[in-house]
This record gives sequence, C-alpha cells and structure tokens, in this order.
Amino acid sequence: GEDVEQSLFLSVREGDSSVINCTYTDSSSTYLYWYKQEPGAGLQLLTYIFSNMDMKQDQRLTVLLNKKDKHLSLRIADTQTGDSAIYFCAESSLNQAGTALIFGKGTTLSVSS
Amino acid sequence: ETGVTQSPTHLIKTRGQQVTLRCSSQSGHNTVSWYQQALGQGPQFIFQYYREEENGRGNFPPRFSGLQFPNYSSELNVNALELDDSALYLCASTSIHGTGGNSYNEQFFGPGTRLTVL
Repeated sequence: GEDVEQSLFLSVREGDSSVINCTYTDSSSTYLYWYKQEPGAGLQLLTYIFSNMDMKQDQRLTVLLNKKDKHLSLRIADTQTGDSAIYFCAESSLNQAGTALIFGKGTTLSVSS
Repeated sequence: ETGVTQSPTHLIKTRGQQVTLRCSSQSGHNTVSWYQQALGQGPQFIFQYYREEENGRGNFPPRFSGLQFPNYSSELNVNALELDDSALYLCASTSIHGTGGNSYNEQFFGPGTRLTVL
C-alpha cells in the first residue's frame, strides 16, 4: 500500500541549512509535496515537484527527488527561527480519484538562535 | 490566508454523540477533501467531494459521512463518536491543473476544527 516515512525531529542552529528527508512507496505518484504546519494552524503548501524532475529550487528551498530510491528531501538554506514548524511530505494517490494526498507523520524542525 | 474557512474552531462532545463540521471552500474550487489529523500524526484522507458527489474515500467507517452544497461548501458528519475520533479535522479545497495521470492538484487547507471527544 501507500506509505510515506519521515524522520520525526531535526534540530539546527539559526543560519545553518536544514535537510528533511522522506521516503515514499507509490511509484505512480505524479507529484510530491512539502507542507508546513505551525502550531495551531492548518497546512501551508511550501513547494511541490513533478515526478520527472530531479530538483526544484524556490528561493531558500531546494527539493531533491531520487525516483529510483523513492527518496525526497527538502533543504532550507539559512534557516531562521520562523522556520520552526512541522514539515510534512506528501504524495498524491491515484487510487483515490486522483487527488487524495498521503502524508508522512511530519518532521518537527526546531531552530535555535 | 487560503480563503478556506472552517467552523467551529473547537468543539467538545461526549462519546456516542453526533457532530457536524463545516467548511467554506476557496472561490471557484469545486472539489473539497476532508482529512483527520490525530495528535502527533500526519493528516489522513477521509473523503473527497466533487460537484456534490463523493469522489473518493479513505479507510474510514460509514459513520463518517459528508455533503457538498451547490456553492461548494461542505459538511463532515460523524455519528456515534468514539474517543479515538478526537483530532484536528482539516478541510481542503482543490484546484486541479491538467488531466488524468499528469494532473497536479493544489490543495488549500483551512485552519481546522479541533474536536475533543470525552
């Protein structure tokens, strides 16, 4: 079945780079997503990558996709305290009318000054 | 701000009761999805509605049901509440770009309704 795995915690210092990793199982996923959730809030789409791409850069965010290993990573350059949040990796599921998202359990990023 | 609103923000119910949660989707989006996020977990897909019809369902029992209205707003109903139903319920309205296997769906999430079942 479909499954998305993430490491649960990451702690970095302000100004360092953060790398959050994710593995997924559904090779038919066309798009993969990164969402951010701040305390008491809903989910904010950070970025996404199409499955035929290896890399996507968007300002401080870099997404790397290794489709062979079904591995996705999110790199945040120059991490700030405001980046402290839970980050979710998600894959789109074609088994659910094509638009359901399957989420990992989330990685809690803690940024210290 | 995504333009997706949910009500109420918080709700406390007792086991066995029924609850209705509401969602107003972003203007122009005809597809809405509901997710359950238990504490410390990622969101889990409950079901999706497209033009007032259920269009996909996750692994949730029939006591979870929904409605979508002509203005694309939506309700999630849960009957016979259980303690494990305590969670954050998220609504997402969807903008679908492209078709078929290459479709990209951009889901805009509301802030959620925190349901506590005692």
